Amino acid sequence: DVKVTQSSRYLVKRTGEKVFLECVQDMDHENMFWYRQDPGLGLRLIYFSYDVKMKEKGDIPEGYSVSREKKERFSLILESASTNQTSMYLCASSLWGTRAGANVLTFGAGSRLTVL
Amino acid sequence: AQSVTQLDSHVSVSEGTPVLLRCNYSSSYSPSLFWYVQHPNKGLQLLLKYTSAATLVKGINGFEAEFKKSETSFHLTKPSAHMSDAAEYFCVVSDLVKGYSTLTFGKGTMLLVSP
Repeated sequence: DVKVTQSSRYLVKRTGEKVFLECVQDMDHENMFWYRQDPGLGLRLIYFSYDVKMKEKGDIPEGYSVSREKKERFSLILESASTNQTSMYLCASSLWGTRAGANVLTFGAGSRLTVL
Repeated sequence: AQSVTQLDSHVSVSEGTPVLLRCNYSSSYSPSLFWYVQHPNKGLQLLLKYTSAATLVKGINGFEAEFKKSETSFHLTKPSAHMSDAAEYFCVVSDLVKGYSTLTFGKGTMLLVSP
């Protein structure tokens, strides 16, 4: 029944390392999103993608990049991890367009990243 | 620009008593509004959504919310709290632009339920 899968639940990395967070969805959704969640700040959008190879910056894209080579997979990349990127990262997907349910997100379970 | 304010960062109730989680929003358009719930170490799950149909929306697990345009509110309620309701709740406003949603999340309300 799993619909959005994040490959790693817990990661510990060192400052300066390159970090890949992978997300796969099996619902044939066009839109995919990466959020970070921090206590007291709610969810903040990092990047989203509405099609293969397409991406849009969200509210806090600095220090991150993304890749969407296949419709079902959306990767978040931290080129050089820093301690202020320690956070919970949530992937989500949704349908494209104005169809019913197009703005309903399905979330993965999250990846908790600690940067030392 | 749209925004969401969840008026309480924490709400404590006793099991069996009513739950009220407050949310106010602002939006330039006719918004869609959602409540999501997050249990510890889990992703977010959709509780209910308002998309300009009935103003009283029923969701899962006995929760419901009422859209009040005049008050720009979308408060979440439940008549009787259960221990399993302890979680963090997020109010979300959405505007569908160019085929994808611009979602704005509130900062969350932690619901604590005591026996």
